[in-house]
Amino acid sequence: QKEVEQNSGPLSVPEGAIASLNCTYSDRGSQSFFWYRQYSGKSPELIMSIYSNGDKEDGRFTAQLNKASQYVSLLIRDSQPSDSATYLCAVNPPRAGTALIFGKGTTLSVSS
Amino acid sequence: SAVISQKPSRDICQRGTSLTIQCQVDSQVTMMFWYRQQPGQSLTLIATANQGSEATYESGFVIDKFPISRPNLTFSTLTVSNMSPEDSSIYLCSVAGTAGNTIYFGEGSWLTVV
Repeated sequence: QKEVEQNSGPLSVPEGAIASLNCTYSDRGSQSFFWYRQYSGKSPELIMSIYSNGDKEDGRFTAQLNKASQYVSLLIRDSQPSDSATYLCAVNPPRAGTALIFGKGTTLSVSS
Repeated sequence: SAVISQKPSRDICQRGTSLTIQCQVDSQVTMMFWYRQQPGQSLTLIATANQGSEATYESGFVIDKFPISRPNLTFSTLTVSNMSPEDSSIYLCSVAGTAGNTIYFGEGSWLTVV
C-alpha cells in the first residue's frame, strides 16, 4: 500500500463548477496534511494545510480531513481555467520527521 | 515563507559526470529537504539535511550517489554523482516554515543527462 494515494486523473470540470480532489494515506499516526498546486514547469506551491478533523476554508478552497477514514480532500469552488494544474496531496507521517510524503498528484483541467 | 534560491536552474550533463546543486535560503532554518521529481512523476524525498549532522536518506537513496552538505543554517548542496539518463529529473530544495510543519520549495534544478 502506498503511503499517499491519489487518482491521477485527469479530472475535467467546466468553468464555474466544483472540483473535488481526493487523497488517502496509510499511516494512521499522521497529523499534518497539505495540498500543493503545481503548474507545468513550475515547483509546487502550498495551497492549504489542515491538522484537525473537519473542514477548513480559504477563499474558493476547502480542505476536508477525516482521520478515522484516513482521507483528505480538496474542494475548489467556482473553478477557473487558471486552476488547471496538478494538485499534490502531502502527508507528514511520524517516520518522516518534519518531511512530507507526496502522492502522485491529480491533474485538473478546467474548461472555459 | 522563506525565499529559496537554487543553482543551477537548468543544466544538460554528460553521462558519468557529477553535478552539485546549491540551495540558499534567506533565513536560518533547521530542516532542509531534497526532493526529486522525475518526468511525469510526483515528488520523492531523497534526504533530510540538518546542520551539523549527517543527512538522513530515504530508502532507495544512498550517500555515495547523492552526497549532501549542510555547512550552515542557510545553505545546502546536493551532488548527483556518476549521472545516468535515469537521473534526469527536477531536483527541489525545500525548507520547513517557522511553525515547523509546512514545507516551501525552491524553483528547482532541471537536470537532463545525455
